[in-house]
Amino acid sequence: KAGVTQTPRYLIKTRGQQVTLSCSPISGHRSVSWYQQTPGQGLQFLFEYFSETQRNKGNFPGRFSGRQFSNSRSEMNVSTLELGDSALYLCASQKGEVTDTQYFGPGTRLTVL
Amino acid sequence: GDSVTQMEGPVTLSEEAFLTINCTYTATGYPSLFWYVQYPGEGLQLLLKATKADDKGSNKGFEATYRKETTSFHLEKGSVQVSDSAVYFCALSDPNAGGTSYGKLTFGQGTILTVHP
Repeated sequence: KAGVTQTPRYLIKTRGQQVTLSCSPISGHRSVSWYQQTPGQGLQFLFEYFSETQRNKGNFPGRFSGRQFSNSRSEMNVSTLELGDSALYLCASQKGEVTDTQYFGPGTRLTVL
Repeated sequence: GDSVTQMEGPVTLSEEAFLTINCTYTATGYPSLFWYVQYPGEGLQLLLKATKADDKGSNKGFEATYRKETTSFHLEKGSVQVSDSAVYFCALSDPNAGGTSYGKLTFGQGTILTVHP
């Protein structure tokens, strides 16, 4: 069974631009979660989508948004990029129950110049 | 709110040494507990998990026991290898947190393990 895939793997943007990251979950998984990983803050939860609906959201500004499509693929968007948005963005998929295990993709490394 | 605390790192060991990485947590009720490992340039891989008190998770020689009385989930391995060098994360999911628990793992800060030949 194929794992979680994320595209692109690397991105370089400049301040003020916007960016869209994509995540394809494991087949049969309906939940996709997004995390930001930085050296200073560690791993922080951004949001979770299930059946095209956002069920949960972390403490991030409204510049961070996401969506999920009917095939469970998910995208996250960051508008008006700031230097501090440079991070590894990880997505994880799970079947859908809170107690299910999350499986992570390789991440997208975003650098904001 | 929920939180996870891992021992201060980094940890440097010689091959075949015994490994312990401490992890304690704060949560309401009975969370599920996980250890994830991250190799350089990669995402997180599930190493092991436990879903109730006294459960022991194990995988690839690593073990951790869910201790509710001490709110701990320490990771151990009897004999580490150079290939175990990575960053290890302890995490929890809290099904008792209601809607704020959906899809959310709370992570510790990570422990860098370096194993020398």
